[in-house]
Amino acid sequence: NAGVTQTPKFQVLKTGQSMTLQCAQDMNHEYMSWYRQDPGMGLRLIHYSVGAGITDQGEVPNGYNVSRSTTEDFPLRLLSAAPSQTSVYFCASSYSRIDYGYTFGSGTRLTVV
Amino acid sequence: GQQLNQSPQSMFIQEGEDVSMNCTSSSIFNTWLWYKQDPGEGPVLLIALYKAGELTSNGRLTAQFGITRKDSFLNISASIPSDVGIYFCAGLSWGKLQFGAGTQVVVTP
Repeated sequence: NAGVTQTPKFQVLKTGQSMTLQCAQDMNHEYMSWYRQDPGMGLRLIHYSVGAGITDQGEVPNGYNVSRSTTEDFPLRLLSAAPSQTSVYFCASSYSRIDYGYTFGSGTRLTVV
Repeated sequence: GQQLNQSPQSMFIQEGEDVSMNCTSSSIFNTWLWYKQDPGEGPVLLIALYKAGELTSNGRLTAQFGITRKDSFLNISASIPSDVGIYFCAGLSWGKLQFGAGTQVVVTP
């Protein structure tokens, strides 16, 4: 039981490049979310999903796309990377029952130059 | 911007002292959660609160879900060096989990 797995752990992109951050969970969780963490800003919600085929925007969705074709996977796509997207990205998942909190992955540190 | 206001931003305390931090929101949440984050790691759940007025303990940690459902506090009693880290409050409503900006706790011997 691996929990929430994020890949890659580190990535450097040039401005304008595209990439996909991968997130997979093996706990059969319905809910999944993506956050970015910047110094002094806490974790800000980018996009979230309450089930396969259902996604919605969080606080800072601009510049990011998501899809949820399976329960297990929730990839985050950067279509044209910008330096402002330099951050640490966390994926998290949870059961839909309210008596479970979200479980987090170990993060992807992204630098856009 | 963020809807959750967490305070204080940082705390420098001596080992053995108690720590208190709180979180307020302009929105009502169904669940309040408290997380701790160590450097280079993802947040780890400490305590979850599900009912307004609920008071829950987990070892030296105690947290309460405010009556109005718009606030929560976390207390850490008799702090030890491994309590160092960033503590986050989070409000959960219909699958959407939002975080406060965090409280940096530094424990000195």
